[in-house]
This record gives sequence, structure tokens and C-alpha cells, in this order.
Amino acid sequence: AQSVSQHNHHVILSEAASLELGCNYSYGGTVNLFWYVQYPGQHLQLLLKYFSGDPLVKGIKGFEAEFIKSKFSFNLRKPSVQWSDTAEYFCAVSWNNNDMRFGAGTRLTVKP
Amino acid sequence: DGGITQSPKYLFRKEGQNVTLSCEQNLNHDAMYWYRQDPGQGLRLIYYSQIVNDFQKGDIAEGYSVSREKKESFPLTVTSAQKNPTAFYLCASSIGQFTDTQYFGPGTRLTVL
Repeated sequence: AQSVSQHNHHVILSEAASLELGCNYSYGGTVNLFWYVQYPGQHLQLLLKYFSGDPLVKGIKGFEAEFIKSKFSFNLRKPSVQWSDTAEYFCAVSWNNNDMRFGAGTRLTVKP
Repeated sequence: DGGITQSPKYLFRKEGQNVTLSCEQNLNHDAMYWYRQDPGQGLRLIYYSQIVNDFQKGDIAEGYSVSREKKESFPLTVTSAQKNPTAFYLCASSIGQFTDTQYFGPGTRLTVL
């Protein structure tokens, strides 16, 4: 079965620190890659996605992610986090438009 | 105001009872999904549907059932056969199956007493 791994379960940062959240997935053909975010008390929403083209994808709120095919990775980055980035972040992968998995999620706490 | 609604927000059930969770969307999306969210496990796919009157099992379909009689509606029934039903349930929809952004509802928290 396909799988998605998010290695960091809980990350605690101070404001202005840089962020990188890891996401790795199992091999299985053509992939579509997503990062979703769940702010406290809000719906899960899309942060960014990659289907094809430039492997460096820009999303909302200053987030970006890089697709590295050789490493089966799609890590999420932000150069300087804010207190409002406190949320849970989920990586999701679909394979061959036929299957989809979410990672276990990473809880980010940003201290003011 | 387009979006996905789920009701109720909180649901309590006695052991041995079936319960149905509602999910409605007015986004005109073809695909709809049900996920279960447990702490530390992320979202796991229960059922999904690409078109009306058709649906497929996800990874953890045992003990659940769905119907898709209308494009806008995708109710989930948690049956008494589900061994550990206490969880947070999320409904989502997208234009295309698995290929497009999924839009999520607010969720229903089910507690079995």
C-alpha cells in the first residue's frame, strides 16, 4: 500500500524562525502533491499543491514546497514564521489519479 | 455562500446503534469523500464517490456505509459493526477525483458512550 510519512509530529518555533516540515512518500508512478493546513477551530484548507512543472511551488501566506523526485519528498518551508502560523499541517499525495493518502500531520506551535 | 456543511457538529451514540452523518455541498463538485481523523494518524479515507449512484471503499470502509443519490449529498452511516467509532469525521469534495483541491467541511465529532 502507498504511504506518506511526516517525520515531525510536533514542532515548536519562536516567531521569525525558519520552518521546514518533511514529507516523504512511497513510489507508485505519477504523483500529485498537496499540503493542507488546519488552523485552530477552522476547516482544513489547501496551502499549496504540485501537479507538474516548476518543482518549487509557492502557496498562500508565504509558504513554499519543493518537489524532489529522486528523494520522493515534498518538504514545506517558510523563511520566517509568525504566531498565526500555529496550526496542524498535513501532506497528501495522490498516485496515478487513483489513490490518495494523507500523512499523520505535524503540529506547529509558534511562540510569540 | 458556497461550501460544505456537515451536521451535526457533535454526536453521541450508544453502543449498538447506527448513526448517520450528513454532508452537503453546493460547489457543484462531482467527487466527494469521507475521512476519519484520529490523533497522530492523520486523515484516513473511508469512502469516496466520483459520480451519483457510484462510490468506492477507501482504506477503512469496514463498519461504514454511504449513499450518493444526489450530487450535493453524501451521507455516511456508522454502523454497529464499526469497532471503534469514536472519532472526528470529515467530509470533502473536489471537482475531479483525487486530482484537484479538496474542500473540507467543519467535521462531526462522534462519541460512542
